[in-house]
Amino acid sequence: DQQVKQNSPSLSVQEGRISILNCDYTNSMFDYFLWYKKYPAEGPTFLISISSIKDKNEDGRFTVFLNKSAKHLSLHIVPSQPGDSAVYFCAASVGGGADGLTFGKGTHLIIQP
Amino acid sequence: SQTIHQWPATLVQPVGSPLSLECTVEGTSNPNLYWYRQAAGRGLQLLFYSVGIGQISSEVPQNLSASRPQDRQFILSSKKLLLSDSGFYLCAWSVARGYGYTFGSGTRLTVV
Repeated sequence: DQQVKQNSPSLSVQEGRISILNCDYTNSMFDYFLWYKKYPAEGPTFLISISSIKDKNEDGRFTVFLNKSAKHLSLHIVPSQPGDSAVYFCAASVGGGADGLTFGKGTHLIIQP
Repeated sequence: SQTIHQWPATLVQPVGSPLSLECTVEGTSNPNLYWYRQAAGRGLQLLFYSVGIGQISSEVPQNLSASRPQDRQFILSSKKLLLSDSGFYLCAWSVARGYGYTFGSGTRLTVV
C-alpha cells in the first residue's frame, strides 16, 4: 500500500514557465511534508517543507501548498530554470520523521529551453 | 558544519558475495541514521534506522542487515547478495526529532 503517491512519472515544462508537481497521501496521521530534488547518481537534496498547521510555505522560487482535506500537496517552481531538471520526491512523516520518511516514487521534471 | 560520507560510490558484486557499505557523519553527536534504497522505477524505501549505538530498527524483511558500532557510523551488510539487492543505496542523518534529513551521495550497487 503506497501511502505517498506521485502519479506523474514525468513532467515537461518550458523554461520560464511554472512547474507544478503534485503529491497525494493516504495516511491522515502524516503531519510533516517535504520535497527533495535528486540528480542522477547523487543523493537527494532538501528543497522545502511544510507542517500540517500551515497551508503554504514559500522559499524563493519554490512554494509548497498543502490541502489537508484533500490529502494533497503540490510544489510550484516559478520561473522554471534548466537547472531545475531533476527527479523530485515528495515525502511525509508523522512528527519530525525521526523513525523515517515515507517517499513517493518521484516525478522527473524536464525543463525545455 | 555537518557532513555525511558514504562509500563506495559504485560497486559491482557477484551473486552470493558479501556486502559492506559504510556511512559516517561528522560535526554532530547522536544523530538518527538511516539507510534507504532506490530500486529502478521505485521511490526511496526505508530499510533501517538507528537512534543510537547498537539500536537498529528494520522496516522491511530482507536479505540485508545494519549495524551501528559507533555513534556516527552506520554500516549496511549482507552475507550473500541476491540479484534483487541491486539498487541505489542512500545513507541519511537527522537530528533526534527529525525535521530534516541530509542524504549522502549514494552507492550504486549492481549484483551480477
